[in-house]
Amino acid sequence: ILNVEQSPQSLHVQEGDSTNFTCSFPSSNFYALHWYRWETAKSPEALFVMTLNGDEKKKGRISATLNTKEGYSYLYIKGSQPEDSATYLCAFSPSGGYQKVTFGTGTKLQVIP
Amino acid sequence: DTEVTQTPKHLVMGMTNKKSLKCEQHMGHRAMYWYKQKAKKPPELMFVYSYEKLSINESVPSRFSPECPNSSLLNLHLHALQPEDSALYLCASREGANTEAFFGQGTRLTVV
Repeated sequence: ILNVEQSPQSLHVQEGDSTNFTCSFPSSNFYALHWYRWETAKSPEALFVMTLNGDEKKKGRISATLNTKEGYSYLYIKGSQPEDSATYLCAFSPSGGYQKVTFGTGTKLQVIP
Repeated sequence: DTEVTQTPKHLVMGMTNKKSLKCEQHMGHRAMYWYKQKAKKPPELMFVYSYEKLSINESVPSRFSPECPNSSLLNLHLHALQPEDSALYLCASREGANTEAFFGQGTRLTVV
């Protein structure tokens, strides 16, 4: 069983605040780490796919970093907006089984106007 | 077209019924997935098809039977389900190893 944990489980921030959350995953047999945003009543939407240690990716106000040696990734949201309210999921693929994408427990973000 | 279409959106079925969930994508993706998601839990992998062949079965009970008739279509046949099988069933597809997955909106299944 692959252990992919996210923290915190839920988060409330004021509009305009910046925030970040963590995904931890097995540091051995790493292949790729994905981040998804899942809004209520919609499909999960991919944000990033990261494969290299030290990788940093950015999409608008959202960015992510990756540390494969210690087994964690951070997702940052700068200047949170109400439309950022969603559940953020990370997902881990191991080497030797990259098709097997295992999701983390998720962080539910609520941005208060 | 970056859409993964799942039908039906909602399904209520009895424990003796036979039903099927359908998933379709026209992005040319050769890997297709079924996930099961229970409330307040992350999506849990069930099956992976790669090039129309079953490559991963996560020890799913045989009352769930996947089928990939062609590269665009993925079915999940359901028979003799239990109430605890009630969940959101998500389909996804990917182009390759380092690429993002595209998800459908899911089928909300209730077994009565």
